[in-house]
Amino acid sequence: GNSVTQMEGPVTLSEEAFLTINCTYTATGYPSLFWYVQYPGEGLQLLLKATKADDKGSNKGFEATYRKETTSFHLEKGSVQVSDSAVYFCALSNFGNEKLTFGTGTRLTIIP
Amino acid sequence: GAGVSQSPSNKVTEKGKDVELRCDPISGHTALYWYRQSLGQGLEFLIYFQGNSAPDKSGLPSDRFSAERTGGSVSTLTIQRTQQEDSAVYLCASSSGGNNQPQHFGDGTRLSIL
Repeated sequence: GNSVTQMEGPVTLSEEAFLTINCTYTATGYPSLFWYVQYPGEGLQLLLKATKADDKGSNKGFEATYRKETTSFHLEKGSVQVSDSAVYFCALSNFGNEKLTFGTGTRLTIIP
Repeated sequence: GAGVSQSPSNKVTEKGKDVELRCDPISGHTALYWYRQSLGQGLEFLIYFQGNSAPDKSGLPSDRFSAERTGGSVSTLTIQRTQQEDSAVYLCASSSGGNNQPQHFGDGTRLSIL
C-alpha cells in the first residue's frame, strides 16, 4: 500500500535559517505529491504540489522537487520567517485511489 | 462561502450518544473526503465520495461510523454509540476530482466524548 515517511519533529530554527524537511514515499505507479501546512489555530492548507517526476512545486518561498529515483519530495526554504511556524504534512494521492495518505507531520518553530 | 464549511466547529457529548457532523463542500466540487486527525493516529482517511456514491469507505473504523452525501453536495458523517476513542478532529475536504487535484479542507469539527 501507500505510505509516507516524514522527518520527525519538532524542528526549531532561527529566523533566516535554511529549512529542509525530509519526505520519502512508497507507492505503486505515479502518485501526485503534496505538502500541506497547518498554522496555529487554522485548518489544513495546500502549500504546494507536484504531479509527475522532476516537477518542482513552489509557493511562498518554499520548494519541493518530485524525485522518482529516490522516492522523495523534500521541502526546502532558503530563509525562514517567524510566520512560517506551523505543522507541515507531506502527502500523496495515487491514480485510481484519490484519498490522501499523510506523513506524521513536522512541527516547525522559528525563533526571532 | 468560498471554502469548505463544517459544522458544528466543536461538539461535546456523552459516551454512548449519537453524533452527526456536517460538511458543505466548495460549490461544483464533485469529490468529497472525510479524514480524522488525532494525537495518536495522525491524519487518517475515512471515506471518499464521488457525487453521491462512496467508492472508497475503507477507512471507516467500525460499523458505528457511516456517511452519506445528497444532491452531490452536503455530506453528513454519523457516529453511533460514541466511544472515548472517537474523540478527534474530523476534517472534510473537497476537490474537483482526480488524484492530481488538490483537496481543500474545512476547519474541522472537534469532537470530545466524555
